[in-house]
Amino acid sequence: QAVLTQPSSLSASPGASASLTCTLRSGINVGTYRIYWYQQKPGSPPQYLLRYKSDSDKYQGSGVPSRFSGSKDASANAGILLISGLQSDDEADYYCMIWHNTAVVFGGGTKLTVL
Amino acid sequence: QVQLVESGGGVVQPGRSLRLSCAASGFTFSNYGIHWVRQAPGKGLEWVAFIRYDGSNKYYADSVKGRFTISRDNAKNSLYLQMNSLRAEDTAVYYCATSVAADFDYWGQGTLVTVSS
Repeated sequence: QAVLTQPSSLSASPGASASLTCTLRSGINVGTYRIYWYQQKPGSPPQYLLRYKSDSDKYQGSGVPSRFSGSKDASANAGILLISGLQSDDEADYYCMIWHNTAVVFGGGTKLTVL
Repeated sequence: QVQLVESGGGVVQPGRSLRLSCAASGFTFSNYGIHWVRQAPGKGLEWVAFIRYDGSNKYYADSVKGRFTISRDNAKNSLYLQMNSLRAEDTAVYYCATSVAADFDYWGQGTLVTVSS
């Protein structure tokens, strides 16, 4: 079982909200991790969006709109990236990441389609 | 502004070696840890290796451990990745990425490595 699992795709309408999940493997408690989120558009390197561990431990990337926010669902053992007021420019791949032991782990990515 | 520029990619035969470089500018390179991350064509991100700001600690993904070596020269503001015993599955765009204000907040444009006979 992968350390981080993301749905491969998600579709949402312009103006709506999209909730992207990043589920941690059983036995790895989401509460103890900072979850990082990155956006990648075709032909470009990933861009840092935000980090979320708790409301008192979070960090928004420079220039990243407040429409992008992080949270957690402890019952699902998952980190969540919420994008509100979807715009066509939000169409991209989104990756979550954690530091796990002395290694970095990326989720498999979610392709967000805005249509 | 922070700039990371990778170089050294190309086509190489299986079993051969290749050395990637990452030239850094716009920040105090010697103060920050830095990573290599790769992305196979059409696939997701895969972390490869990390080196601390002073080179004192290095961490590797299991998939490259024993074959790849990360190093840095702070006097030259440069990061390196020595890749030995290359395999077809090492084919990817290789990015260097550093963490100035937050983890992986700056990325280079990447360099393509193709392992093929």
